[in-house]
Amino acid sequence: AQSVSQHNHHVILSEAASLELGCNYSYGGTVNLFWYVQYPGQHLQLLLKYFSGDPLVKGITGFEAEFIKSKFSFNLRKPSVQWSDTAEYFCAVNRYSGGGADGLTFGKGTHLIIQP
Amino acid sequence: SQTIHQWPATLVQPVGSPLSLECTVEGTSNPNLYWYRQAAGRGLQLLFYSVGIGQISSEVPQNLSASRPQDRQFILSSKKLLLSDSGFYLCAWSGGGTGELFFGEGSRLTVL
Repeated sequence: AQSVSQHNHHVILSEAASLELGCNYSYGGTVNLFWYVQYPGQHLQLLLKYFSGDPLVKGITGFEAEFIKSKFSFNLRKPSVQWSDTAEYFCAVNRYSGGGADGLTFGKGTHLIIQP
Repeated sequence: SQTIHQWPATLVQPVGSPLSLECTVEGTSNPNLYWYRQAAGRGLQLLFYSVGIGQISSEVPQNLSASRPQDRQFILSSKKLLLSDSGFYLCAWSGGGTGELFFGEGSRLTVL
């Protein structure tokens, strides 16, 4: 099964700073990639996803992620963060190449704190 | 539209007691269903998944079991809880081959 590495477990930024959260998965083949977000007190929700096509995908609230196949990466970016972006962010990939019903493998998460 | 519900939202149980967490999905048929456990600093760990009634795949050997008695119902159980079973349990469903998951609100279990 796939594994996922998120490089930053805790990130503290000031408002208006730029953000990049790293995510690498373990092997190639057909991959479906996801970023999920969990705001304080809320359930886990999808931020953005990549299945195929344009490797730069845009999600809600100004986030984007770029799929770089040669680097096995799917990093999350936002040019200017807001206090409301404080949350935990999870990168995920289908457990086995080609997708399917086997579920997703998640990274350990990045706890992002935005200071006003 | 599809919705997913989990209950109870919070549960405090003594060691050795039984457990039953329930999850139901509305607005879709034949969903794939999942139980994950979320622990601080360790991400989400897949415990069980099901592609149909009575079909359960177990990913982690442990003190827990899962059942799917109806198409849109998924139950997580234990006969005797351990301290290590404490955690935040998430139910999720998916409907297609992409693997995209839709999560419930979660159930926080504390075993004392």
